[in-house]
Amino acid sequence: GDSVTQMEGPVTLSEEAFLTINCTYTATGYPSLFWYVQYPGEGLQLLLKATKADDKGSNKGFEATYRKETTSFHLEKGSVQVSDSAVYFCALLVDSSYKLIFGSGTRLLVRP
Amino acid sequence: SQTIHQWPATLVQPVGSPLSLECTVEGTSNPNLYWYRQAAGRGLQLLFYSVGIGQISSEVPQNLSASRPQDRQFILSSKKLLLSDSGFYLCAWRLADRYYEQYFGPGTRLTVT
Repeated sequence: GDSVTQMEGPVTLSEEAFLTINCTYTATGYPSLFWYVQYPGEGLQLLLKATKADDKGSNKGFEATYRKETTSFHLEKGSVQVSDSAVYFCALLVDSSYKLIFGSGTRLLVRP
Repeated sequence: SQTIHQWPATLVQPVGSPLSLECTVEGTSNPNLYWYRQAAGRGLQLLFYSVGIGQISSEVPQNLSASRPQDRQFILSSKKLLLSDSGFYLCAWRLADRYYEQYFGPGTRLTVT
């Protein structure tokens, strides 16, 4: 079945460090891929998305490229801030499906 | 603009008690609605989704149920809570013709004691 695998956290970085959170997927058909962010005590917010192979989603300095050949959608940011501390979820949506399939989430802690 | 509300924000209930969580969406019509649960330290699990009034699909068999009595209202219920029902419950919505844009509410933290 369709699934998403994320690197386990927590990921602890110093401010201004480079961030990579790995995400790989298994899916039938042609999925759209997403990164959601959950700040402490809040619901999820869509961070970025890519709807076809080789698309690059970007928002707030975060980027992720849809790599069909490696079935990956790794999240990157060149310089993290303390305010980026949150849980990040990778997710996929298969064509015309009703539901998102989420990874288990990766907690990011950025220290000053 | 569209907004989604959930209440209560937090809830502590004893085992065996009933449950009712409510979700409402404003500023749109005929949304698809979803209930997710996030257990401590784990990812999100889809519980129910609805594409219209009275239309509910269950993803995971359990002692929870969902109802959609109005177009923009989605209710999650239980007759008797279990300890394993503890978690963070999230409601979400999307427009049927924009399938990749799903928006989440602020969530309800449920602790079953």
